[in-house]
Amino acid sequence: NAGVTQTPKFQVLKTGQSMTLQCAQDMNHEYMSWYRQDPGMGLRLIHYSVGAGITDQGEVPNGYNVSRSTTEDFPLRLLSAAPSQTSVYFCASSGAGDEKLFFGSGTQLSVL
Amino acid sequence: AQRVTQPEKLLSVFKGAPVELKCNYSYSGSPELFWYVQYSRQRLQLLLRHISRESIKGFTADLNKGETSFHLKKPFAQEEDSAMYYCALSGRGGTSYGKLTFGQGTILTVHP
Repeated sequence: NAGVTQTPKFQVLKTGQSMTLQCAQDMNHEYMSWYRQDPGMGLRLIHYSVGAGITDQGEVPNGYNVSRSTTEDFPLRLLSAAPSQTSVYFCASSGAGDEKLFFGSGTQLSVL
Repeated sequence: AQRVTQPEKLLSVFKGAPVELKCNYSYSGSPELFWYVQYSRQRLQLLLRHISRESIKGFTADLNKGETSFHLKKPFAQEEDSAMYYCALSGRGGTSYGKLTFGQGTILTVHP
């Protein structure tokens, strides 16, 4: 029973590099979202999706892209990494008509 | 704009003592409120939500619309309650699914 799976768990990037954080869920959830967790700031919503082919921006979308080609997958792309993007990233999903979020285990990203 | 405030970054109590984690919110409509918890080396998970009116692991939380608060309480804290606690808010239904606004988080430490 995998739930929400995030890869990688840890990543170190140099400024300007690009990468994709992977997120997959096996619960057939319609809603998926990406949050970043920073000390003293809680979790902030980056992007979210209400279904395949539909995405929208959250509170802090700049520097990140997303796409949702399937119900299961919701990758987060950093186009040109900056030190301000050093954070812990969480992917989450929820089913239709339910506000309960299921979280992945997180990706700890450092940008040097 | 919706906002969630957790005024205490750190909270320390002794085992068996009562504990209250504070949460205040601002939202123009009728919100759904949640408490999420992250134990050491575990995923962020839902602890309870106000619409369920349930007690989980001895914790309760009452939505006070007059004071716009949703404080989390437990009469007798246990060492295993030590964790990071997040209060979160969502607008009811529709396009709000999967989009939560989180507070800054409170680290609870229960000493033996």
